[in-house]
Amino acid sequence: QSALTQPASVSESPGQSITISCTGSSSDIGAYNFVSWYQHHPGKAPKLIIYDVDDRPSGVSSRLSGSKSGNTASLTISGLQAEDEADYYCSSYTTSTTYVFGTGTKVTVL
Amino acid sequence: EVQLVESGGGLVQPGGSLRLSCAASGFFFRNYGMYWVRQGPGKGLVWLSHINSDGSITSDADSVKGRLTISRDNAKSTLYLQMNSLRVEDTAVYYCVRGHFWSGHTMELWGQGTTVTVSS
Repeated sequence: QSALTQPASVSESPGQSITISCTGSSSDIGAYNFVSWYQHHPGKAPKLIIYDVDDRPSGVSSRLSGSKSGNTASLTISGLQAEDEADYYCSSYTTSTTYVFGTGTKVTVL
Repeated sequence: EVQLVESGGGLVQPGGSLRLSCAASGFFFRNYGMYWVRQGPGKGLVWLSHINSDGSITSDADSVKGRLTISRDNAKSTLYLQMNSLRVEDTAVYYCVRGHFWSGHTMELWGQGTTVTVSS
C-alpha cells in the first residue's frame, strides 16, 4: 500500500487560508468516508484534528475543516495562526482492512 | 487523566528483538481498538498494526507482517508490540494509539512514543 500523496510544504501569511490535499485511490480514500487528519508538532504526540472526512473532535478549532471528492481529501485551515505551524498528515482506511498515511505536509506561517 | 505511556524502546542490534509496551489509564481500555504507528527519523507516519477491543482480530502492514506482532492484555490495560528480526530501517519512534469509540477507523489518542534504534 503506497502512501497517500500530500504536498511537501505549504506556506501562507497569518490570517490567510490554506488547503492541503491528500490524494489516494479507489481502494482507500475513494472507498470509504474514513479519512482522518493529524497535526504533529515535532517532539510531541500527533493530535487528531479531523475524522470521518469532516468531523471535528471536541476542542478542535472551527477554523479547521475537512472534505472529500472522489479519491482526494482536503484539509482547510482558515485564519491561519502561528500555532498552526506544524506537520499535517492524512490517513485512510483501505479495502485491504489496513490503514495508510499521507506523505505529510509541513505548514509554515510566514 | 486519559493517558497512554509507551515503554520498552532502546538500542538493539540488527536481527535482535524487542517488546514494546503501552500502559493505558484513565479510560476503559477493553472497550477500544488500538494501533501502533511509527515515524522514522526525518520521515512520515507509518501505520503498523491494529487490534480490536477483545484482541480477537488483528491486521498488520505488509512491510512488517511476520516480524511485528500486536497483542493486548485487557486485565492489565496494556498493549504490546513484539518486534523480531529487527532491521536498521526499523529505527523509529513508535507510537501507541487508541481508536475512536464511535468512529471505527480513527486513531484518536496518541502516546508520546518510545524510540527504537537498530544499529550495530
